[in-house]
Amino acid sequence: GESVGLHLPTLSVQEGDNSIINCAYSNSASDYFIWYKQESGKGPQFIIDIRSNMDKRQGQRVTVLLNKTVKHLSLQIAATQPGDSAVYFCAEKRAAGNKLTFGGGTRVLVKP
Amino acid sequence: KAGVTQTPRYLIKTRGQQVTLSCSPISGHRSVSWYQQTPGQGLQFLFEYFSETQRNKGNFPGRFSGRQFSNSRSEMNVSTLELGDSALYLCASSLRDTYEQYFGPGTRLTVT
Repeated sequence: GESVGLHLPTLSVQEGDNSIINCAYSNSASDYFIWYKQESGKGPQFIIDIRSNMDKRQGQRVTVLLNKTVKHLSLQIAATQPGDSAVYFCAEKRAAGNKLTFGGGTRVLVKP
Repeated sequence: KAGVTQTPRYLIKTRGQQVTLSCSPISGHRSVSWYQQTPGQGLQFLFEYFSETQRNKGNFPGRFSGRQFSNSRSEMNVSTLELGDSALYLCASSLRDTYEQYFGPGTRLTVT
């Protein structure tokens, strides 16, 4: 498969436990913050996004929290499954245009 | 519906050569963005095209160029290839600015 990052921080989690992935962003002018999942050999896949005027948004088994005071974004995955093993990226963008600025990524390994 | 397709999937070129990569967006999507992914630099934005016009450009040398056709298909070109251009090149398409972006599987370029 593709090597998306040889020295990514890695989060090991037991199957069934909750996972929390953190991200610090830099641009306080960003309007949207997005989480992507990238599996080996594939392009990034959209998970969930949150607008800058929100602090929490929930999806199916995922929750994104935004703390603009400290420029911090987190993704919580409930009841982590083996299929959740992947590299997770946070990204930010302005409302106009589709330029995404990505964070460095976190590798999640789910242990059976 | 069909996803974003990129051709070719794998490519090997020699230093000094030039290369053209192709991206077909999801039907109806008018925005196409290109990203370079390397283990060292992560995911970096190259440029975005919307309705055949370059709308945003990342911080890459002029050897990297692109274009978009009237059917929204896009190509990117890299001239005078360098070893450091070896990367996974990803294309993403979007319906509108506030809509999620869908990524293709990428083209793996190796420069020898």
